[in-house]
Amino acid sequence: GAVVSQHPSWVICKSGTSVKIECRSLDFQATTMFWYRQFPKQSLMLMATSNEGSKATYEQGVEKDKFLINHASLTLSTLTVTSAHPEDSSFYICSARTSGTARNTEAFFGQGTRLTVV
Amino acid sequence: AQRVTQPEKLLSVFKGAPVELKCNYSYSGSPELFWYVQYSRQRLQLLLRHISRESIKGFTADLNKGETSFHLKKPFAQEEDSAMYYCAPPSGNTPLVFGKGTRLSVIA
Repeated sequence: GAVVSQHPSWVICKSGTSVKIECRSLDFQATTMFWYRQFPKQSLMLMATSNEGSKATYEQGVEKDKFLINHASLTLSTLTVTSAHPEDSSFYICSARTSGTARNTEAFFGQGTRLTVV
Repeated sequence: AQRVTQPEKLLSVFKGAPVELKCNYSYSGSPELFWYVQYSRQRLQLLLRHISRESIKGFTADLNKGETSFHLKKPFAQEEDSAMYYCAPPSGNTPLVFGKGTRLSVIA
């Protein structure tokens, strides 16, 4: 199957700094990628839809100025957590599908990035 | 809206016992459902999809239109089956929104 890679796998940063997380589709092009957040022992919560060449679509309650998303190419989307605070500590996961996806096509997930803000 | 419900947040079974993870859907049209699994410290991955009617790792799921269900079953649970399981609707290029999922714990 297709491979989605996230980098870094884990990061520790100081409060007030910004952290960038990359999501790459390694062997396919993805016009759309999705970013999720997952708290311990909980389900994935959709944060935003990243669209290549246009603005991201954020879910209700997700601060777009806090979580900056850039999808500059068909294989790369980035999530930048700006002015991070301890409450931003979480597991962030990206997902992508091949372009022109039919309804019954599976989603591929990155391995996730564990962010710890100290 | 296409929606699925997993009524059980946690399911514990003994090794060798049968497992059934429940999933109900509540939308019209042709349902094309999936089961995803997230093992500890691994990425979320597809377990099986309804249209292919396959059996993966001993798991099967049959679509029951009368009961609007897509329960995941395995006759004999193994310890390595312990994971988080998510039933998911089709979504194409629209976001895949997950429900709460069911955590399966297989006790030795």
